[in-house]
Amino acid sequence: AQSVAQPEDQVNVAEGNPLTVKCTYSVSGNPYLFWYVQYPNRGLQFLLKYITGDNLVKGSYGFEAEFNKSQTSFHLKKPSALVSDSALYFCAVSDNTGGFKTIFGAGTRLFVKA
Amino acid sequence: DGGITQSPKYLFRKEGQNVTLSCEQNLNHDAMYWYRQDPGQGLRLIYYSQIVNDFQKGDIAEGYSVSREKKESFPLTVTSAQKNPTAFYLCASTQGTGNSYEQYFGPGTRLTVT
Repeated sequence: AQSVAQPEDQVNVAEGNPLTVKCTYSVSGNPYLFWYVQYPNRGLQFLLKYITGDNLVKGSYGFEAEFNKSQTSFHLKKPSALVSDSALYFCAVSDNTGGFKTIFGAGTRLFVKA
Repeated sequence: DGGITQSPKYLFRKEGQNVTLSCEQNLNHDAMYWYRQDPGQGLRLIYYSQIVNDFQKGDIAEGYSVSREKKESFPLTVTSAQKNPTAFYLCASTQGTGNSYEQYFGPGTRLTVT
């Protein structure tokens, strides 16, 4: 069965500092990994994905994530945080066995302080 | 939120009434999903559909029903059997082929049952 863990309910960083939002996963096959962002009372927006290829993937708004197979992790990173990055971030995983079923983590709330 | 519409944005119902939430997409995506979001619990999958006239139960399907008569539409009915229906409901779609497995989300419907 697929599962996703986001160990931090909340991450606080100062504007201009690097940020990391952690995610670990479990799937039976090869993982398809995703990060999404949600602003208050809105739907989720896709940020980036890992399907295959380079372990470091780059996405929207300067975000990137590194796929680490041995640690089953897919942490979201950004070199310099902005106040406007404050939002709720979700990690998600699908396996490639068909069915397109995706499991989402519980979410991590990011606060960026000016 | 582009390409997926959900209506209405806010919905109020009395306990014991069935209610249907609308989801329409113009992205020509094959797969569609319904999720429920509660505070601190992330997104939980209710139903998903890979193709017209076919759908599968997700993790919390009890008290819900769906139909997929058209590729563009995937309405969700919250029945009176759903014990705790008050939540934020999100519809999503994905192409699910090639390298395109990310989901596109609608703006959500906030259902309040009293």
